Amino acid sequence: RKEVEQDPGPFNVPEGATVAFNCTYSNSASQSFFWYRQDCRKEPKLLMSVYSSGNEDGRFTAQLNRASQYISLLIRDSKLSDSATYLCVVNRATGANNLFFGTGTRLTVIP
Amino acid sequence: GAVVSQHPSWVICKSGTSVKIECRSLDFQATTMFWYRQFPKQSLMLMATSNEGSKATYEQGVEKDKFLINHASLTLSTLTVTSAHPEDSSFYICSARDLSTGYNEQFFGPGTRLTVL
Repeated sequence: RKEVEQDPGPFNVPEGATVAFNCTYSNSASQSFFWYRQDCRKEPKLLMSVYSSGNEDGRFTAQLNRASQYISLLIRDSKLSDSATYLCVVNRATGANNLFFGTGTRLTVIP
Repeated sequence: GAVVSQHPSWVICKSGTSVKIECRSLDFQATTMFWYRQFPKQSLMLMATSNEGSKATYEQGVEKDKFLINHASLTLSTLTVTSAHPEDSSFYICSARDLSTGYNEQFFGPGTRLTVL
């Protein structure tokens, strides 16, 4: 089983729509969780960390369910500039803080 | 945020040659850097963890004699792909942690696209 699993999409949504991405992780001892954004042929960039209580940053809301080993990202009022691949990332509980990446979910926001 | 650079940004080489990729932390010191590889439409896969002043730690299935890593200073790590073959063609990305912030964020370099003919 993969360390991190995501629905690859693609998700094609109109501007202004609300879209949600889900992710599951296999290691119950994982401690840190992130959503990264990756544009085509570019490096990943941190979008937001995910905290146990859930957290919000503008139009973006992240949720963590440790019991179900499930992470989500909600994007409200989608903009054209939100088009990218969103990577669910989990930090291994032990070792040198290695990050495990999901394959990413491709989002295209349509005018 | 902290800045990580990579050089070169892209390289094309003949099969059998060696290619060196540099990763630099520009405005912070990084005792640990990470090297990832990403094939088309696949996730980033950690290849190795580079520790300043000591040997790198390689992930299972990554040949340490083929992918030589040197982390000679707190701001520079290099990855050398020795005797490159077409199947080594990939997007190589490094990252580094800024330990001074206390956060667990890794900052990524812009990546190096390697094409082996």
